[in-house]
Amino acid sequence: DVKVTQSSRYLVKRTGEKVFLECVQDMDHENMFWYRQDPGLGLRLIYFSYDVKMKEKGDIPEGYSVSREKKERFSLILESASTNQTSMYLCASSGSSKNIQYFGAGTRLSVL
Amino acid sequence: LAKTTQPISMDSYEGQEVNITCSHNNIATNDYITWYQQFPSQGPRFIIQGYKTKVTNEVASLFIPADRKSSTLSLPRVSLSDTAVYYCLVGDIWMVTGGGNKLTFGTGTQLKVEL
Repeated sequence: DVKVTQSSRYLVKRTGEKVFLECVQDMDHENMFWYRQDPGLGLRLIYFSYDVKMKEKGDIPEGYSVSREKKERFSLILESASTNQTSMYLCASSGSSKNIQYFGAGTRLSVL
Repeated sequence: LAKTTQPISMDSYEGQEVNITCSHNNIATNDYITWYQQFPSQGPRFIIQGYKTKVTNEVASLFIPADRKSSTLSLPRVSLSDTAVYYCLVGDIWMVTGGGNKLTFGTGTQLKVEL
């Protein structure tokens, strides 16, 4: 089974802090994704990576950056956290069946 | 941008068939239609995917008309454990590159199954 692991289930940070959300997948998938999920808005794509060091902006990249130095790891970075970034963050990966994504359990981030 | 529209909620009883429709009027030629299931405090889980006509697997069927402007997820004989949010995703990962179409999740349909 594909396993996508997000480093934290819950995270509390203060406004202005730099925040790192880590995601690791164990299936050698080429593609990795970061979404945020908010009530009434569904899942929205933040960034997508299709290879090491490659990234593409999604629907809502503002305020975020990403890093993919190794194939199995995709990091989401909030350079200066703000309260409107309080949300559930979901990481996903996909392989040869590229439109089928496997999701992690999510990280619930609260920015105070 | 292939925006999707789903009913916000649906109620059913155990043993019934449930059909959830997703509208995607602006679907592009390369777009796939993928359905996911999400339980509270978990990430979405893949259910089924199709491009056109009908697809069936061990848990669901997906019906896509010829114009592909909508799709219907069919869950046969639901049980209490099927209570979840169901998302319709329309897009093609490769169209995300180069600033093309984005992967678009609907806002989801909350299915509640009762005894």
